[in-house]
Amino acid sequence: ETGVTQSPTHLIKTRGQQVTLRCSSQSGHNTVSWYQQALGQGPQFIFQYYREEENGRGNFPPRFSGLQFPNYSSELNVNALELDDSALYLCASNILDVPGELFFGEGSRLTVL
Amino acid sequence: SQQGEEDPQALSIQEGENATMNCSYKTSINNLQWYRQNSGRGLVHLILIRSNEREKHSGRLRVTLDTSKKSSSLLITASRAADTASYFCATLSGAGNMLTFGGGTRLMVKP
Repeated sequence: ETGVTQSPTHLIKTRGQQVTLRCSSQSGHNTVSWYQQALGQGPQFIFQYYREEENGRGNFPPRFSGLQFPNYSSELNVNALELDDSALYLCASNILDVPGELFFGEGSRLTVL
Repeated sequence: SQQGEEDPQALSIQEGENATMNCSYKTSINNLQWYRQNSGRGLVHLILIRSNEREKHSGRLRVTLDTSKKSSSLLITASRAADTASYFCATLSGAGNMLTFGGGTRLMVKP
């Protein structure tokens, strides 16, 4: 158990809808990152938040957006869902100035029909 | 895009045997990490090796890093059925904590 919790664990949406995924960071961690993992592939970096601001972004379109709150919890929002957005979405937390391991949650499995 | 590639993509061995997985990457790195993932679950950190290190051990795990060849290997000795999982290498480059993952090796250890 890493202390990073994500919700919901599973959800099903239809194309064009919007989704919000939530993440609670491990205590003491000030940075949260989101990754998308398609079936059978490795995780791909979406973005990272530090002190409530985006601190780096991968190759994802603007319809992927996020928030980090003062208690370091975070949300990932995806608008105008597409079939290819079906994936496991992983949240990870760490301390920004400690370039070591990331602590991952169990993920939210999104299915877009 | 993914920085690294794992080799092999899938590996099946008998309990007690050793398992070796390889990872290649493209750019210079600060460190390289290995993670494990049980089917459909979150990733668990196994071991980190810094760019100035060549070998590291943790329990039954041994990791090597060759920065001249931009490659790393993970050796699991005396494998157990419980080691069945996917294993990913991930590299950290530059500022921040953005990890770039490879495609993973799916390991099956038969009892």
